[in-house]
Amino acid sequence: KQEVTQIPAALSVPEGENLVLNCSFTDSAIYNLQWFRQDPGKGLTSLLLIQSSQREQTSGRLNASLDKSSGRSTLYIAASQPGDSATYLCAVCGYGGSQGNLIFGKGTKLSVKP
Amino acid sequence: DARVTQTPRHKVTEMGQEVTMRCQPILGHNTVFWYRQTMMQGLELLAYFRNRAPLDDSGMPKDRFSAEMPDATLATLKIQPSEPRDSAVYFCASGQGYTGELFFGEGSRLTVL
Repeated sequence: KQEVTQIPAALSVPEGENLVLNCSFTDSAIYNLQWFRQDPGKGLTSLLLIQSSQREQTSGRLNASLDKSSGRSTLYIAASQPGDSATYLCAVCGYGGSQGNLIFGKGTKLSVKP
Repeated sequence: DARVTQTPRHKVTEMGQEVTMRCQPILGHNTVFWYRQTMMQGLELLAYFRNRAPLDDSGMPKDRFSAEMPDATLATLKIQPSEPRDSAVYFCASGQGYTGELFFGEGSRLTVL
């Protein structure tokens, strides 16, 4: 059974710092991996989607990498801003009978201090 | 601005009452998911549909929960009877195909007293 882990559970950094959020998964047979952002009291917003054949995806100050063989993904945020404060979740989509079922990590709560 | 719409945004009810949550997926999306989020468990899949057909509802307590898509523009999640342990935020999400990007609604926060 696929399990997704995100460490640390919470992270506080000063504004302007570059940072890395980590996601690990136990079953490397994934179809894709997505990173989401969730603001308090809100739904999830998709940030980046990496197909299993890809190594990384970039959007603005965000860069997500994927290493399927080691079961790891990282989300790199450059020059962090207070507006980046939110919970970041990763989710993997697997093959097989539950195709389309995203398995989520519990998230990393990021706080960027001015 | 296409988005997933969920109603109600907040619901407080008493144990034993019926609760119905509704979701309007993004027009043209053919997969619809229901998730439940709690502090302890995080996000859990309850059910999902493709082209209105239920594909997986193994995460849903069958004795009290039911999910349907009466048409392509409406998905419903019903709890009858509700219990305090059902208190959570319920999210609907839609997408195109099995494995594309998912778009989430803002959730329905349910409190069962």
